[in-house]
Amino acid sequence: AQRVTQPEKLLSVFKGAPVELKCNYSYSGSPELFWYVQYSRQRLQLLLRHISRESIKGFTADLNKGETSFHLKKPFAQEEDSAMYYCALNDDKLIFGTGTRLQVFP
Amino acid sequence: EAEVAQSPRYKITEKSQAVAFWCDPISGHATLYWYRQILGQGPELLVQFQDESVVDDSQLPKDRFSAERLKGVDSTLKIQPAELGDSAMYLCASSSQGAVRSYEQYFGPGTRLTVT
Repeated sequence: AQRVTQPEKLLSVFKGAPVELKCNYSYSGSPELFWYVQYSRQRLQLLLRHISRESIKGFTADLNKGETSFHLKKPFAQEEDSAMYYCALNDDKLIFGTGTRLQVFP
Repeated sequence: EAEVAQSPRYKITEKSQAVAFWCDPISGHATLYWYRQILGQGPELLVQFQDESVVDDSQLPKDRFSAERLKGVDSTLKIQPAELGDSAMYLCASSSQGAVRSYEQYFGPGTRLTVT
């Protein structure tokens, strides 16, 4: 079955530290993956998609088919990055992981 | 900036009662989604509409849940009768494309349902 796994419920770092939010997937085919973010008291919104190979707010994510991973990375965390992050897989519908809460301390 | 609207934002109901949620997608968005998000989990798709037609309702508990989008614009999700396990956040989203790769979904603020 298609599945998205985010092993960490909570990730806490200090400002300026590197961040890596883990995402692993199970998919029989060529996957299409996304990262969605929900800031406090805001709506869930798209952060980035793997097909675009873009950097948004300093975040990047590389699809690793060998490891079936799509980890989200940022070299220097900012306090405003504190939010819930969801990895999602497109299987003609979005399948979301359980999310990771990122806390960035000053 | 256009946004997806949902109402009510909060709903408390007793079990066995009926409850309904409303969603107004971004104008021009043909595809509308209803998700349920249980606390501590990610959103799970309940039903997807393309215009007024249901594209996917495989995860919709059809014995108690129903959804409609009669004119292909706004949509209503109903639960009758509500059960304690239905307590969750109900999210609506819309997109300008259907099951096309790399589409972006725009989410509403959600309706938080508490069943007592």
